[in-house]
Amino acid sequence: DAGVIQSPRHEVTEMGQEVTLRCKPISGHDYLFWYRQTMMRGLELLIYFNNNVPIDDSGMPEDRFSAKMPNASFSTLKIQPSEPRDSAVYFCASSSLQGVGLSGYTFGSGTRLTVV
Amino acid sequence: GEDVEQSLFLSVREGDSSVINCTYTDSSSTYLYWYKQEPGAGLQLLTYIFSNMDMKQDQRLTVLLNKKDKHLSLRIADTQTGDSAIYFCAEEGGTASKLTFGTGTRLQVTL
Repeated sequence: DAGVIQSPRHEVTEMGQEVTLRCKPISGHDYLFWYRQTMMRGLELLIYFNNNVPIDDSGMPEDRFSAKMPNASFSTLKIQPSEPRDSAVYFCASSSLQGVGLSGYTFGSGTRLTVV
Repeated sequence: GEDVEQSLFLSVREGDSSVINCTYTDSSSTYLYWYKQEPGAGLQLLTYIFSNMDMKQDQRLTVLLNKKDKHLSLRIADTQTGDSAIYFCAEEGGTASKLTFGTGTRLQVTL
């Protein structure tokens, strides 16, 4: 398995533009998580899905953020409109309930977002 | 609520042992984990311990769990420059499959 795949690796965009981050989880994993990492706040859980259904989105900072999981192999995190304070590294991770005790999460390599 | 705390920074000399500490609050945690993050990369699972264990050893890594004090530690023997990274502890809280991560400890290995 190629692991959790995120795209793009780097994104630079202007304030006010829409940004879409993408994630392909590991096949067979039924949980998918979106995290944001910044120096100030560390690692924050934004939202997570189970079997494509959003379970907890209490970490989504504002209505400007939205996430979807249309099928088991794809998820998006969208920011519209983007602001400079959204600049961070966004990570996607997946896991399976059966295996969580043994494998924890598998993280993607992240998308480094810079909003100028 | 769930809260996981770590010291922010640790500096050790190459060849010495490193001990990274973590405290957590959720006594119902089933598993506790250690993750490693190298510059520009995602978090990588290093090791984990089941809550009914006191210790787990895996090559150079030793995990100690004091459930009474809710204290977790990671010892790295013979620390190498390649061990320089940020180390996160995480607990699996009451919600199945949801991990709460600590703030991360940056380990610097000097020659």
